Amino acid sequence: ETGVTQTPRHLVMGMTNKKSLKCEQHLGHNAMYWYKQSAKKPLELMFVYNFKEQTENNSVPSRFSPECPNSSHLFLHLHTLQPEDSALYLCASSQLTTYEQYFGPGTRLTVT
Amino acid sequence: ILNVEQSPQSLHVQEGDSTNFTCSFPSSNFYALHWYRWETAKSPEALFVMTLNGDEKKKGRISATLNTKEGYSYLYIKGSQPEDSATYLCAFMNSGGSNYKLTFGKGTLLTVNP
Repeated sequence: ETGVTQTPRHLVMGMTNKKSLKCEQHLGHNAMYWYKQSAKKPLELMFVYNFKEQTENNSVPSRFSPECPNSSHLFLHLHTLQPEDSALYLCASSQLTTYEQYFGPGTRLTVT
Repeated sequence: ILNVEQSPQSLHVQEGDSTNFTCSFPSSNFYALHWYRWETAKSPEALFVMTLNGDEKKKGRISATLNTKEGYSYLYIKGSQPEDSATYLCAFMNSGGSNYKLTFGKGTLLTVNP
């Protein structure tokens, strides 16, 4: 176990649905991240939160909306997604943004 | 756009073989090079964070070297075991500004046959 949990592990949603992905870290870290992995592509950074402040938005469409209410929790709110958004979404945390990252197991998202 | 390349894409070896794979990255604005190990249906797990040119790090049978001047890192596995089967990811962290972020390669998928 890495100390980073993600729920749900699998999610199927229609294009008009609204859903949220949740990430929790039990490591006392200060930075949290959302990554996306699509088939045959590398892990792609989406958002970075450092001490609860968003410090990076990697040109992510507004249909993905992150929220970091405290340094232990990170959400990704999803609405009006497209089928091409189907992917594995990974959360990670680190003590500082320059340190090694600890990953959760991911949420496998399918948009129908 | 930063380019991080890993080779080979996949590799099959027999139990007991030693193997190595390559990560190449930009040689400018280097801050750190990370290696992660990702087993199927599990979380990626950090292996090494390398920051200095000429760094060599070791964890059990796995070791890594770093050449920041020419922009490459090698990962070595000595005496591969079936439990070493996983995807090995490298990620480049560049310096520049105050935002440090990782750019990942596509990974090398290692399969160790018993």
